[in-house]
Amino acid sequence: EAGVAQSPRYKIIEKRQSVAFWCNPISGHATLYWYQQILGQGPKLLIQFQNNGVVDDSQLPKDRFSAERLKGVDSTLKIQPAKLEDSAVYLCASSLRTASIYGAFFGQGTRLTVV
Amino acid sequence: DQQVKQNSPSLSVQEGRISILNCDYTNSMFDYFLWYKKYPAEGPTFLISISSIKDKNEDGRFTVFLNKSAKHLSLHIVPSQPGDSAVYFCAASVTSNYQLIWGAGTKLIIKP
Repeated sequence: EAGVAQSPRYKIIEKRQSVAFWCNPISGHATLYWYQQILGQGPKLLIQFQNNGVVDDSQLPKDRFSAERLKGVDSTLKIQPAKLEDSAVYLCASSLRTASIYGAFFGQGTRLTVV
Repeated sequence: DQQVKQNSPSLSVQEGRISILNCDYTNSMFDYFLWYKKYPAEGPTFLISISSIKDKNEDGRFTVFLNKSAKHLSLHIVPSQPGDSAVYFCAASVTSNYQLIWGAGTKLIIKP
């Protein structure tokens, strides 16, 4: 079974530039999550999709971050414009049911460095 | 306000001995707790979970204990193996709102 795919693995951009991350979840997983993990901290949920609808985006900085999940499969996360404090690993995860109980499967993440 | 705390940034244990990783939480509404394991340059992988209606859950070498009155849970690994060297995250959730709240992680080092 293929895992959660993310690209790119690494990205370095200057502040005020734009960047986009892509995620392909495990086939059949209806729930998709984007997390931000700053060095030395645990992952923080940015947005959660159920199929192509948003379940929770309460911690997404909507003035600069946006995410979409077209046709309930692939998802993209965009930052525009980027700030220095956005430097982090961005993790995508998917699950069959709510990850609260059964756990979620994570991709390898995209390490973003904003300079 | 950190709702889930892992107070030990790192832990070193001899191979073959028991590893005990601890986690404290503040929100009494949490009803599920999970442990994840993370190797460098990889995403976290789900290890084991426990419902708040239980006080123990076991899966092979891994056992999670929950003490609701103390708002404390622990992960026991017996016996510890070199492949267990990783960062371990504790996470907690209120299932009705889906969100998982994560601790900062504990880096476990298994010494030969």
